[in-house]
Amino acid sequence: TQLLEQSPQFLSIQEGENLTVYCNSSSVFSSLQWYRQEPGEGPVLLVTVVTGGEVKKLKRLTFQFGDARKDSSLHITAAQPGDTGLYLCAVDYGNNRLAFGKGNQVVVIP
Amino acid sequence: SQTIHQWPATLVQPVGSPLSLECTVEGTSNPNLYWYRQAAGRGLQLLFYSVGIGQISSEVPQNLSASRPQDRQFILSSKKLLLSDSGFYLCAWSDGRGPDTQYFGPGTRLTVL
Repeated sequence: TQLLEQSPQFLSIQEGENLTVYCNSSSVFSSLQWYRQEPGEGPVLLVTVVTGGEVKKLKRLTFQFGDARKDSSLHITAAQPGDTGLYLCAVDYGNNRLAFGKGNQVVVIP
Repeated sequence: SQTIHQWPATLVQPVGSPLSLECTVEGTSNPNLYWYRQAAGRGLQLLFYSVGIGQISSEVPQNLSASRPQDRQFILSSKKLLLSDSGFYLCAWSDGRGPDTQYFGPGTRLTVL
């Protein structure tokens, strides 16, 4: 059973468009992380959200943690080709172990 | 600053052959260490994690084993590879303080033929 469900699995958009991807669960978490992974490389942490309703911004990326701390969204404004990658959400399920979703593959076309 | 190394970067092995993948971390001491496998369409699956030398926890039963002979060295092994062992293997480390940030190595692409 997958702890985190990410949707959509794949998204292709034109440069300059906006997009939102989602990470959902039926469980409550104390924190949630978003990573970005480029082909042939390891994931890199983008942000950690810890408070229900929290919004964090990283340049054109906006991350929100749901009020009930069960879900999160990532919104990209005016997407650039450099935003292309696999976006993974992750949660700590005990003893410093992370469970990852399957990811949102984003492709930004120039 | 901390760095994490993995080798080899790519590997093609026949079914039934042994495997040894190595991961080393620099610039930190007593890190938590992790081995993940990433198969197409399946996200990252945690295989093993270690909180100290000789301390290994397995997440899923499988054809693989892990060892931590030194504080900053983590090794993934198999005596006989299966086709299903193909995938992208990632090593990661963390300082064990929550919320836990994990730092990933560059990965090893393993193809079993």
